[in-house]
Amino acid sequence: GAGVSQSPSNKVTEKGKDVELRCDPISGHTALYWYRQSLGQGLEFLIYFQGNSAPDKSGLPSDRFSAERTGGSVSTLTIQRTQQEDSAVYLCASSRKYSNQPQHFGDGTRLSIL
Amino acid sequence: GENVEQHPSTLSVQEGDSAVIKCTYSDSASNYFPWYKQELGKGPQLIIDIRSNVGEKKDQRIAVTLNKTAKHFSLHITETQPEDSAVYFCAAGEHQGGSEKLVFGKGTKLTVNP
Repeated sequence: GAGVSQSPSNKVTEKGKDVELRCDPISGHTALYWYRQSLGQGLEFLIYFQGNSAPDKSGLPSDRFSAERTGGSVSTLTIQRTQQEDSAVYLCASSRKYSNQPQHFGDGTRLSIL
Repeated sequence: GENVEQHPSTLSVQEGDSAVIKCTYSDSASNYFPWYKQELGKGPQLIIDIRSNVGEKKDQRIAVTLNKTAKHFSLHITETQPEDSAVYFCAAGEHQGGSEKLVFGKGTKLTVNP
């Protein structure tokens, strides 16, 4: 079946511009996560959505970062006024509703800020 | 919050040898420990996971062991093949205030030499 789909796969933009990254989770998965992976580093949690519950935004690094999930499915991560330190791979994962379910990742969006 | 340490950061083995990667975690409340394999340009792929009610789990050439008392868990790959070359990440599932996320180690780059 279809896995987690992310778009675009690559994004190059100038410092100061806004960017939107999209994630389509696996059908039927109610939990959705965003992580950030800087060059040669592990994955850093950004935000967690579970059904209609309020999202856990505790991992967002600044108020320039925001995310939404419409209709309990597709999610967008928005970065406003991008900075060079925002350059990274942004990964989305989804899982079933229940606790400790495997998270399945997309291939990410590689974001480069010039 | 949870903290995961992973060692070694790089590992080089000869084809057919075994490879072992070790991780420690800090939060005794964590009870889910997945391992991911990441190839260049791809998202992390779940290869095996273990829950805290078992001490060992095996899937063909891959096994994971968990020592809850010592708060460490390990990945064992036997009869390594060149296609096992990738970056491997351990993670611990953290639950806090109705939210859950994975806390990742910084990764181990495994090279299997033919």
